[in-house]
Amino acid sequence: EAGVAQSPRYKIIEKRQSVAFWCNPISGHATLYWYQQILGQGPKLLIQFQNNGVVDDSQLPKDRFSAERLKGVDSTLKIQPAKLEDSAVYLCASSQGWDEGEQYFGPGTRLTVT
Amino acid sequence: KQEVTQIPAALSVPEGENLVLNCSFTDSAIYNLQWFRQDPGKGLTSLLLIQSSQREQTSGRLNASLDKSSGRSTLYIAASQPGDSATYLCAPEIKAAGNKLTFGGGTRVLVKP
Repeated sequence: EAGVAQSPRYKIIEKRQSVAFWCNPISGHATLYWYQQILGQGPKLLIQFQNNGVVDDSQLPKDRFSAERLKGVDSTLKIQPAKLEDSAVYLCASSQGWDEGEQYFGPGTRLTVT
Repeated sequence: KQEVTQIPAALSVPEGENLVLNCSFTDSAIYNLQWFRQDPGKGLTSLLLIQSSQREQTSGRLNASLDKSSGRSTLYIAASQPGDSATYLCAPEIKAAGNKLTFGGGTRVLVKP
């Protein structure tokens, strides 16, 4: 069974530029999560999707971050414009359902904003 | 709001010693608790999941205990090996509008040969 795929693995941009990350969850997993992990800290949930609907985006900085999950499969997380404090690893995870099963994580995208 | 603390933040031991990693959380109304391993530059790998009705869970050299009433979980790794060097994260899950994990800051473990 293929795991959660993410791309790109690394990205370096200047502040005020925009960037997008892509995630492909495990086949058949209805729930998809985006986490932000700042160096030395645990991951923090940004947004949770159930199929193509948003379940929780309470910690997503909506003035600059946006996410979508068209057709309930792949998802894209965008930052526009980026700030220095957005430097972090962005992790995507998926689970079978919104209240069942373990979460499986992708390798993450390491973003550096200069 | 759930707060998760992991102590110690970092741990260095010689190969063969047993490891004890502690996790405490403020909201005891959890659904389950997961322990993850994270290697440098990599994503998270689930090690153990303890249901709220369980007191412990074991997998090979790993054993995790859960005491919901006191808001604590402990991960034991027996006979540590250099390959156990990684960051270990605990994440209790609350059951509210979907399964949400709240992560601690992790314990960074180094096992020296």
